Amino acid sequence: DTAVSQTPKYLVTQMGNDKSIKCEQNLGHDTMYWYKQDSKKFLKIMFSYNNKELIINETVPNRFSPKSPDKAHLNLHINSLELGDSAVYFCASSSHGGNTEAFFGQGTRLTVV
Amino acid sequence: RKEVEQDPGPFNVPEGATVAFNCTYSNSASQSFFWYRQDCRKEPKLLMSVYSSGNEDGRFTAQLNRASQYISLLIRDSKLSDSATYLCVVIFSGGGADGLTFGKGTHLIIQP
Repeated sequence: DTAVSQTPKYLVTQMGNDKSIKCEQNLGHDTMYWYKQDSKKFLKIMFSYNNKELIINETVPNRFSPKSPDKAHLNLHINSLELGDSAVYFCASSSHGGNTEAFFGQGTRLTVV
Repeated sequence: RKEVEQDPGPFNVPEGATVAFNCTYSNSASQSFFWYRQDCRKEPKLLMSVYSSGNEDGRFTAQLNRASQYISLLIRDSKLSDSATYLCVVIFSGGGADGLTFGKGTHLIIQP
């Protein structure tokens, strides 16, 4: 039983396209996140959402937008993809309003060509 | 500014040796601390939480020094399978997007 699952695992797309990555958690957690890991392997938080409040890292371009249809899902939409968006995107979740350890999905490797 | 700093390494260590990493954090109000492990092309996975009193899990020992604002991870009798990147994680007060801040990781290579 996968705790945090995200799809697709790999995504190759052309510049300028719009794409989405889906994330679901079955842990009953109240907080979900999106992280970006670039070629230098640095994990940087993009968004945090706990079904009441969305917190956005101010460095994230507004081409990126999270959408949460319900507590168990936090999808990531990316508009007008750019070459620099190529990275691995990880979804994660945690409990107690984000004050405990997080569990990660397997990652989505996005390549923009 | 809330930062987590780690020595990126790589640390090249012979099998069976003991290796230790440190991690420093910038905010004295930080409330929770963890070590994660990330294997190549995989997701980060929780290795252990770090408690004020220090804690041990088999060959792994984690310690917290709040006064000096650092946490440490000690690996005894290292195995080839310990080769990975070790990520220091701090939850700063308030959680949310300020929480779960990752260091850049320390790359460990265990050599036979």
